[in-house]
Amino acid sequence: SAVISQKPSRDICQRGTSLTIQCQVDSQVTMMFWYRQQPGQSLTLIATANQGSEATYESGFVIDKFPISRPNLTFSTLTVSNMSPEDSSIYLCSVIMAGVYNEQFFGPGTRLTVL
Amino acid sequence: GIQVEQSPPDLILQEGANSTLRCNFSDSVNNLQWFHQNPWGQLINLFYIPSGTKQNGRLSATTVATERYSLLYISSSQTTDSGVYFCAVVTSGTYKYIFGTGTRLKVLA
Repeated sequence: SAVISQKPSRDICQRGTSLTIQCQVDSQVTMMFWYRQQPGQSLTLIATANQGSEATYESGFVIDKFPISRPNLTFSTLTVSNMSPEDSSIYLCSVIMAGVYNEQFFGPGTRLTVL
Repeated sequence: GIQVEQSPPDLILQEGANSTLRCNFSDSVNNLQWFHQNPWGQLINLFYIPSGTKQNGRLSATTVATERYSLLYISSSQTTDSGVYFCAVVTSGTYKYIFGTGTRLKVLA
């Protein structure tokens, strides 16, 4: 499996500000995803990060609130914009490795608290 | 969309006990994984098991895709097994994993 890192690992932010989360993988991957896990809940897919083009968002998530970039095969960012306390969650990136058929691996997550 | 239900939602065990966690899904799936989320939030891959049976140490899993369920067995549980267990599935024609509701396990010393 790949080594997946996320930065920052945690942050405390003020209402109305934005935070950009980075996800870096140490080898090439075919697909990258971003998930949100609200306190005490399961994981919900936000979007698929597409290399060099706009991300594909799931129902209930919009680009203005969660802009995503993926400039190359191993790196992606998720921005949480104009934050409110309801955005307090763990945000996780995940990947499907090239040559590893459809098994998904997760980064360590970013624990976000919005005051 | 597909519904993925896990049972039981919560489970408390004494160290050394065995347990069975269940994942039911409402539609046919191409892929299924089991994960353990430790108390620090890290998701750890346990099994990639779209069908059949696999074993890894004290853990084993069985997926019966035709009957739309999967089981995770934990034997001789240890306190380090505590955390939340998720199954996640991919349905035909997509590549996206949909997560189940989770089972929160606490193992007491």
